[in-house]
Amino acid sequence: GAGVSQSPSNKVTEKGKDVELRCDPISGHTALYWYRQSLGQGLEFLIYFQGNSAPDKSGLPSDRFSAERTGGSVSTLTIQRTQQEDSAVYLCASSLAHSGRGTQYFGPGTRLLVL
Amino acid sequence: AQSVTQPDIHITVSEGASLELRCNYSYGATPYLFWYVQSPGQGLQLLLKYFSGDTLVQGIKGFEAEFKRSQSSFNLRKPSVHWSDAAEYFCAVEGGNQFYFGTGTSLTVIP
Repeated sequence: GAGVSQSPSNKVTEKGKDVELRCDPISGHTALYWYRQSLGQGLEFLIYFQGNSAPDKSGLPSDRFSAERTGGSVSTLTIQRTQQEDSAVYLCASSLAHSGRGTQYFGPGTRLLVL
Repeated sequence: AQSVTQPDIHITVSEGASLELRCNYSYGATPYLFWYVQSPGQGLQLLLKYFSGDTLVQGIKGFEAEFKRSQSSFNLRKPSVHWSDAAEYFCAVEGGNQFYFGTGTSLTVIP
């Protein structure tokens, strides 16, 4: 009965380094979402997966961002060549079904700081 | 393009007073609308959502919201605020394959 978990909870990296953020959704949830929350900003939708497929990647901020999901479960968000503006809290959510008909359950987030 | 506006960055109310948080959206069709709450140190939690039908939606923790198509609004209300309601509130709209969130309204409750 665990909720959505994310790791690491905090990540400090140097500009130019690559980082990987992990999301473990609730078991059985087919839809998985990534968001970014910057200080003083709302949530910025990045990408969603239905199963292992991401139908729309247009929300990713740049080509330095990529995401994958394997086995219909764990998802990884990768940021290459990190920049200071990437500093934010990255939130993952999962739901039984895509579209708002499935309630999204959010994880605690990964706080990323790029120095 | 779809967008969500929460005009009030910060609101302060007295405990026991009524509350209304404003949300306006821009979307071409009838949207799916949501309100989320983010308490300090906690994750986002869904308060309520609207898809269709009755324009007055009841949610958890005594919250309700009313969809007004003519005003493109989905305001959140609570008749009597409790100190534990102090949190950040986000309005969101689903459009196509994406979700759009407002910048949030921070609620302070004073005794």
